[in-house]
Amino acid sequence: GNSVTQMEGPVTLSEEAFLTINCTYTATGYPSLFWYVQYPGEGLQLLLKATKADDKGSNKGFEATYRKETTSFHLEKGSVQVSDSAVYFCALTGLPGGYNKLIFGAGTRLAVHP
Amino acid sequence: EPEVTQTPSHQVTQMGQEVILRCVPISNHLYFYWYRQILGQKVEFLVSFYNNEISEKSEIFDDQFSVERPDGSNFTLKIRSTKLEDSAMYFCASSERGTVGNEQFFGPGTRLTVL
Repeated sequence: GNSVTQMEGPVTLSEEAFLTINCTYTATGYPSLFWYVQYPGEGLQLLLKATKADDKGSNKGFEATYRKETTSFHLEKGSVQVSDSAVYFCALTGLPGGYNKLIFGAGTRLAVHP
Repeated sequence: EPEVTQTPSHQVTQMGQEVILRCVPISNHLYFYWYRQILGQKVEFLVSFYNNEISEKSEIFDDQFSVERPDGSNFTLKIRSTKLEDSAMYFCASSERGTVGNEQFFGPGTRLTVL
């Protein structure tokens, strides 16, 4: 079935370290791919998205490239800050007959320490 | 900046009781959604709603669940007779359009605890 798999957390990094959070998907058709972020006590916020193969989404120094050949959408940031500490969710939508419902991965908690 | 709001932030109820979770979507949005996240598990889609009708629902959204837009601003999720396994964080979301890739804006969630 359609699903999203993320690397398990927590991921613990020092400030200014390089971040990668892996995300792979299984889907019929040509989904759109998203990264959402949840800061403590807040709702999910869209971080970035890509709607077709080879698109790169980017925002706030984060980026992810839609790789159809490897069915992946890994999240990267070159230099993390303490304020990036949050839970990151990979998600997809746009399945045939699926209207606009989002299918989420399990989430990856990131902790950045000074 | 416009945002989706949800009330209450935490609801505690006894098994078998009815609960209503409330959401105020962003005012010019036309598509509304409910998701839930059981502790330690994935965020799961429950239902989408457009033009006063359910447009899609998941297997989780059985006869115990209902949604309503009782006025021009609120969007509610009712659980008729709560079960222990309904304990979860419930997120409301809204989007301006229902087209693929259109951003869904999420509220902060309501934590439902069923005792």
